[in-house]
Formats: sequence, structure tokens, C-alpha cells
Amino acid sequence: DAGVIQSPRHEVTEMGQEVTLRCKPISGHDYLFWYRQTMMRGLELLIYFNNNVPIDDSGMPEDRFSAKMPNASFSTLKIQPSEPRDSAVYFCASSPPTARNTEAFFGQGTRLTVV
Amino acid sequence: AQTVTQSQPEMSVQEAETVTLSCTYDTSESDYYLFWYKQPPSRQMILVIRQEAYKQQNATENRFSVNFQKAAKSFSLKISDSQLGDAAMYFCARVGTYKYIFGTGTRLKVLA
Repeated sequence: DAGVIQSPRHEVTEMGQEVTLRCKPISGHDYLFWYRQTMMRGLELLIYFNNNVPIDDSGMPEDRFSAKMPNASFSTLKIQPSEPRDSAVYFCASSPPTARNTEAFFGQGTRLTVV
Repeated sequence: AQTVTQSQPEMSVQEAETVTLSCTYDTSESDYYLFWYKQPPSRQMILVIRQEAYKQQNATENRFSVNFQKAAKSFSLKISDSQLGDAAMYFCARVGTYKYIFGTGTRLKVLA
């Protein structure tokens, strides 16, 4: 398996634009997580899905952020409109059905810069 | 709030020496797992070691070991015989009900 695949690796956009980050989890993993990494806050959990259903979105900072998982092999995180303070590295991670005793497997992350 | 705290933003260690990174957590669950991840400059998140909360024995993986104190909710990582390749960000994480919560990270510098 190729691991968790995120695209793009880097994204530079202007304030006010819509940004869509993409993630393909490892096949067979039914948990999917979106994290945001900043120097100040470390890795913050934004939202996670189980079997394509959002379970906990309490970490989503504002209504400008939304996430979807239309099927088991694809998820998106959208920011609309984007702001400079959204600049961060965004990670997607997945884990198998025995989630609690298995580590989360991370993608390479998307570095988002909003200018 | 169920949090994970890493109180050392940055640590330095001389090559071949030993260093300990601290982590404390808060949880109301009795059954959970703890992890240490390493993040080199490539941004890749690499699992270093895991600990099951119901096990009293501290986990060990080669030069990496943990000191798990359940009552104190403490989970520190000890790196022995530090190598230049150990330089990275280290994150402590806890998972209870399927939700992985991470600390803010500790940047480890290894001095030659």
C-alpha cells in the first residue's frame, strides 16, 4: 500500500480564495483524521470520520472550514474563504478498525500559505 | 478537557548521551494507549514507541524507552546513545475512544 496520500504538498493562495485539500486513506482503514499543525498549538485534531461518517468535528475552528468523506477512499478539507491565519501544515491520517491499539498513519501533509 | 502536555518546547543533547522528553496527559478513561511520534524535517510522522495503559511494564524499542506512570498520568520518552539522526520534533499522543490527541511537541537538537 502506498500509505496515506495527500495533495497538494504545497498550496499558496490569496486571502479570500477557496482552498481544497485532498486525502486518500490506506485501503481498509475506516478511521480518518484531519489535523492542523502550527508552532503554537502543535497538532490539533480538526475532525475525524468513521466509516465515512463525521464523528467529532469539535476541533473545526470556524464555519469557514468544512470536511467531507464521500467514500471510503477519499476525503476533502475545504476552507472558504481562506485567511492568512489559516497558514499551517494540514495532515490527514487514517487508522484501521482496531484503532485504539494501532498508531495513526499520516500522510506527508499539505503546507498551506495564505497571503 | 482531555489534553496532552509537553512542557519542553526544545531540548538539546550531546551525541551519545541520554535525553528524556516529558509528557503528561489528562483523561477520564481507564483504557487507552499512548504513543511517541518523531517528525524529521521531511514532515513525515514516524511512530517511535507505543504503550498500553493497562500494562505496567514500560515499553522499549532499541534505544528508545518510556517511563509510564499511570497514577501520575505521565509518559516520558528516554533516548539513549543519542544520534544525529534523532534530531527532530517529537510528539506525544493519547488515544482513548478512537480520538488521537497530540501534544504541542518538543524539538530535539543533537549536538555533535
